[in-house]
Amino acid sequence: DAGVIQSPRHEVTEMGQEVTLRCKPISGHDYLFWYRQTMMRGLELLIYFNNNVPIDDSGMPEDRFSAKMPNASFSTLKIQPSEPRDSAVYFCASRLRQGPYEQYFGPGTRLTVT
Amino acid sequence: QKEVEQNSGPLSVPEGAIASLNCTYSDRGSQSFFWYRQYSGKSPELIMSIYSNGDKEDGRFTAQLNKASQYVSLLIRDSQPSDSATYLCAGLPKGFNKFYFGSGTKLNVKP
Repeated sequence: DAGVIQSPRHEVTEMGQEVTLRCKPISGHDYLFWYRQTMMRGLELLIYFNNNVPIDDSGMPEDRFSAKMPNASFSTLKIQPSEPRDSAVYFCASRLRQGPYEQYFGPGTRLTVT
Repeated sequence: QKEVEQNSGPLSVPEGAIASLNCTYSDRGSQSFFWYRQYSGKSPELIMSIYSNGDKEDGRFTAQLNKASQYVSLLIRDSQPSDSATYLCAGLPKGFNKFYFGSGTKLNVKP
């Protein structure tokens, strides 16, 4: 079975540009999570969805960040405008609604903003 | 606060030894715990989950949960150089849907 799919795997952009990261969760999974990982701050939860509905976006750092889940098989995380401090690895993870509550991570998108 | 604490390491063990990784948590309501392994430049990979007090074994890995003392541990028997990675501990409080991750412990297994 395919795992969580993310694209692109690497993104290099200039400050001020819009960046869109994409995620396809594991088929049948009801929850989708977006994380950001940096050396300084570790793994941070940005937002999560249940059945395509955003449940908790308290981790979104500021209004420049937005996330959508238009259907059960696709989600986007958008940064507009991007800043150098947004450089990080962004992971998407998914899990089933019922237990076990194990989350499965995608390969991540390494974002570099210059 | 629902903090999960891990020693950042690095923890160095010789090949063939038992590596012991520990994690403490602050929320007594946490019911489920998860260990992830993350190689440098890769995504976290689920190793084990544990929901009940006691030990849970899977191959060379044993997870231990002690809810009274609020700690979780992961033992790796017969450590191999390929086990060298960062190990993340995560807790899931009852009634919540999001994990609380520790900062990870870096393990080095020396040949």
